[in-house]
Amino acid sequence: QKEVEQDPGPLSVPEGAIVSLNCTYSNSAFQYFMWYRQYSRKGPELLMYTYSSGNKEDGRFTAQVDKSSKYISLFIRDSQPSDSATYLCAMKGDAGGTSYGKLTFGQGTILTVHP
Amino acid sequence: EAGVVQSPRYKIIEKKQPVAFWCNPISGHNTLYWYLQNLGQGPELLIRYENEEAVDDSQLPKDRFSAERLKGVDSTLKIQPAELGDSAVYLCASSLVAGSGSYNEQFFGPGTRLTVL
Repeated sequence: QKEVEQDPGPLSVPEGAIVSLNCTYSNSAFQYFMWYRQYSRKGPELLMYTYSSGNKEDGRFTAQVDKSSKYISLFIRDSQPSDSATYLCAMKGDAGGTSYGKLTFGQGTILTVHP
Repeated sequence: EAGVVQSPRYKIIEKKQPVAFWCNPISGHNTLYWYLQNLGQGPELLIRYENEEAVDDSQLPKDRFSAERLKGVDSTLKIQPAELGDSAVYLCASSLVAGSGSYNEQFFGPGTRLTVL
């Protein structure tokens, strides 16, 4: 079993919809939780990161972390066609741990927002 | 500010041939990473450098893969000989060195898409 599990989709929604993307993980040492967006034939770019548990909001994007359930989510409000991309969750541990310094990624969810 | 630069962007070779990828990180970033991304999968770390030192190469298949980062700036990843299963995207990323309790973003290059025939 992989350390980070993510439903690959694909997910297709109409413009303006609320999108929910999720990942589960098994490594309790993970402390940093990231969401990356990757457009076709491009490298991943960081959308948001959260340290430990809690919520974080940035414009139309909200990230949630529930460490007790080992479950993280990304919500996209008022989705736009320009949001169409692959969304990757990624995690790493704190300094001093074996999982620090490298990102462990989920498989990625392919999202299409159609006009 | 220029991002992470990788070349070539695309490479097609026949199996058993050697191939090399080059990466130039963001200026001032002393940590450099090579990731492998198979189709439909997330990136997986191959090797991480702090300056010139490879501090994590546990996932690098050392029988055919090698990497170097001379002078602690740009880096080269080599495969010799290439196999069909090596067809993938090879991503380079860079970041500042993080202190305890802090987060330093990894910035990714566009990747090199390798096709082995």
